Amino acid sequence: EVQLVESGGGLVQPGGSLRLSCAASGFTFSDYWLSWVRQAPGKGLEWVANIKQDGSEKYYVDSVKGRFTISRDNAKNSLYLQMNSLGAEDTAVYYCARDRYYDILTGYYRGVYYFDYWGQGTLVTVSS
Amino acid sequence: QSALTQPASVSGSPGQSITISCTGTSSDVGGYNYVSWYQQHPGKATKLMIYDVSNRPSGVSNRFSGSKSGNTASLTISGLQAEDEADYYCSSYTSSSTAYVVFGGGTKLTVL
Repeated sequence: EVQLVESGGGLVQPGGSLRLSCAASGFTFSDYWLSWVRQAPGKGLEWVANIKQDGSEKYYVDSVKGRFTISRDNAKNSLYLQMNSLGAEDTAVYYCARDRYYDILTGYYRGVYYFDYWGQGTLVTVSS
Repeated sequence: QSALTQPASVSGSPGQSITISCTGTSSDVGGYNYVSWYQQHPGKATKLMIYDVSNRPSGVSNRFSGSKSGNTASLTISGLQAEDEADYYCSSYTSSSTAYVVFGGGTKLTVL
């Protein structure tokens, strides 16, 4: 069974930092891109960042570029999000989600532009 | 303000069918077959219901179906059940921003 379990959320002051973690199980972690998606209270979903299987490519939504860093440790089946210079606008539940994978048989990526498994999220509150 | 437009709420009685719309532009919904739909129940993990406009993942009930016409995608739920009451979000690839995907603002489905 695929499982994604986020942790590390909490209350942080404006300008502060926080590191989120996502522990994965039930699939070959190193085969998949992974994403972070967030949801502000009472609002819709927003894609935040994603990372390639080997960590060599990383992409971010414009609003977090230069402040957030996505990373992964394939040996630990873990995904991370380092968040710096946090502001009130970053207050949200942060979800990790499984992204695309490379199909060796066909030579194409599958699962592109959607997320087939999500964690239950971890709440980040930025407030003084 | 979300990139894709969904109605804030829809409702229906058990056994009925409902449709949730998701309106975008030719740069996202209308231009690509990369529309997906997600279900959110409070306290539970978000669940993929439809991908690539009309494909159902294994394990998703065939009461859920997706379609697209022009710049509007739709999620139809037939034979409504109480357990279908949830928030639903659409998503699409977009060529007009650097975001990997964009989402709709979500639709609260109430089963009367």
